[in-house]
Amino acid sequence: LAKTTQPISMDSYEGQEVNITCSHNNIATNDYITWYQQFPSQGPRFIIQGYKTKVTNEVASLFIPADRKSSTLSLPRVSLSDTAVYYCLRKGGKLIFGQGTELSVKP
Amino acid sequence: DAGITQSPRHKVTETGTPVTLRCHQTENHRYMYWYRQDPGHGLRLIHYSYGVKDTDKGEVSDGYSVSRSKTEDFLLTLESATSSQTSVYFCAISDPEDSYNEQFFGPGTRLTVL
Repeated sequence: LAKTTQPISMDSYEGQEVNITCSHNNIATNDYITWYQQFPSQGPRFIIQGYKTKVTNEVASLFIPADRKSSTLSLPRVSLSDTAVYYCLRKGGKLIFGQGTELSVKP
Repeated sequence: DAGITQSPRHKVTETGTPVTLRCHQTENHRYMYWYRQDPGHGLRLIHYSYGVKDTDKGEVSDGYSVSRSKTEDFLLTLESATSSQTSVYFCAISDPEDSYNEQFFGPGTRLTVL
């Protein structure tokens, strides 16, 4: 059974780097890993996508090891406005979201 | 923001009644999706469409049907609502020609079945 698991919650402080890891067993060869951010009462928003190794954009980095059984979203120097729920998504033949990680950033 | 609207935004209904949720897009994206979001489960795919009149089942399709007669509209129907279908429903769209085939989500519909 394909599953995508991530921590339920994480706490951090402003200015710190935050790493959120997602485990995805039985990942298929054609699956991509995508991360979304969701604020209360809104739909999720795309952050970053990768297949393997490292991808970086203006807001985050995504690390995927060679075996691709996990992925880590890295948010550099978080601020209060990064408080949100973060979802990883296995995207291939099926679309499988993790249950979400609630990130709380404190002053 | 992508041009996606959902209607209604909130609905309270009774067990056994039919309910139809509407998703409307102005982006001309080919793919459309319906998800439900519940605490502890994240987002789960109900049905999706890869073109007009082309739909397929997702992970939790039992009790739901969909229709897509136009590119811009994707309807989700609960033929006979049950309390277990109380949830927040999100519509999403994507363009398979886009490099990421990124999904853009609507604002959601909160459905309560009493």
